[in-house]
Amino acid sequence: EVQLVDSGGGLVHPGESLRLSCAASGFTFNAYGINWVRQAPGKGLEWIAHVSSSSMTISYADSVKGRFTISRDNAKNSAWLQMNSLRDEDTATYYCARARSLDVWGQGTTVTVSS
Amino acid sequence: QSVLTQPPSASGTPGQSVTISCSGSNSNIGSNTVNWYQHLPGTAPELLIYSNNQRPSGIPDRFSGSKSGTSASLAISGLQSEDESDYYCATWDDNLKGVIFGGGTKLTVL
Repeated sequence: EVQLVDSGGGLVHPGESLRLSCAASGFTFNAYGINWVRQAPGKGLEWIAHVSSSSMTISYADSVKGRFTISRDNAKNSAWLQMNSLRDEDTATYYCARARSLDVWGQGTTVTVSS
Repeated sequence: QSVLTQPPSASGTPGQSVTISCSGSNSNIGSNTVNWYQHLPGTAPELLIYSNNQRPSGIPDRFSGSKSGTSASLAISGLQSEDESDYYCATWDDNLKGVIFGGGTKLTVL
């Protein structure tokens, strides 16, 4: 079964860091780019980062540029989102998703930033 | 304010058809393909339509997509109660170098 499992969410204070993980199975991981997408409470979906299949191309939304870092290890069939300097407005459910078409999604992991 | 514009809401009765629009610009819809997602809050979004008008396996043919110029549409025929959900269009934006979403349309089946 083609699957992405995201994890690592939790409750943190403003300014703190968190690292989200995305574990892939059931497909050739090194053939696909990986994205992170989030949904804040009451808001729509927001794309925040993309890493290409070989990690040669990485891009970020302006809202997280300079604070978040996306990475992957094809040998481990995994991708990560390192989130630093977290803000209240980063509170959201975070999803990893496969390819530019976002054709496969993780189940989501919730990040709450609150003092 | 989303780069892609969708109506915030749409509605229909069981059996009816409904169309959801998505408007963009030359740098996004005008030069890239459009995908549509169904998202029930609390669950993972699901890809409904990719490459403007293609359905992944398992998606009923009641769902169809189209694109013309800088706009795209999702059509749902034979509405069913389980179609009540949020729907999002998305595409790649050449200027932003990332995926952009519409603001989402909440579909109510009356």
